[in-house]
Amino acid sequence: QKEVEQNSGPLSVPEGAIASLNCTYSDRGSQSFFWYRQYSGKSPELIMSIYSNGDKEDGRFTAQLNKASQYVSLLIRDSQPSDSATYLCAVSNNNDMRFGAGTRLTVKP
Amino acid sequence: SAVISQKPSRDICQRGTSLTIQCQVDSQVTMMFWYRQQPGQSLTLIATANQGSEATYESGFVIDKFPISRPNLTFSTLTVSNMSPEDSSIYLCSTWDRYSGELFFGEGSRLTVL
Repeated sequence: QKEVEQNSGPLSVPEGAIASLNCTYSDRGSQSFFWYRQYSGKSPELIMSIYSNGDKEDGRFTAQLNKASQYVSLLIRDSQPSDSATYLCAVSNNNDMRFGAGTRLTVKP
Repeated sequence: SAVISQKPSRDICQRGTSLTIQCQVDSQVTMMFWYRQQPGQSLTLIATANQGSEATYESGFVIDKFPISRPNLTFSTLTVSNMSPEDSSIYLCSTWDRYSGELFFGEGSRLTVL
């Protein structure tokens, strides 16, 4: 079983729609959860972090965490073509960070 | 957040040669990490490099193949030794903000081995 699992996609949504990205993890000792965005040929950049159960909103982005279900999600509202990228779920136990395989999102104009 | 500079940004190497990637951080950091990202894949942790101690390698990575130096709190190197085409990848240096748990990345070094 992979430590961090994501649907690889590709996920395609029309401009203005909500994009929903999902992630599950296996280590129950995980403390911190992150979503990174990676454009082709670039290094990952952090877009959201979440540490406790529930929702966390930042602009068009909402991260959701359910530790009991070992599940993290990212919602992108009013999706824009510039959101087209690979989204990496990352999970940390405060000793190191493990990444999912990433979900490739395409937002069509 | 720390600013991380890596070089070279890209290189084309011959099979059997070795290449050293340098990582410079603009502030002192305790923990530095080296990741590999093979084409179309996610990030795989190679090793954790703490200043003043030997690097800790993940399963599947060994010191003879990927020697790491960490001479001070702002600098680290990763050497990819005796390269083969399977080593063609992006190598990423990163640092960790222990208070927020966030990981910050350098721009990456794209290696192509012929």
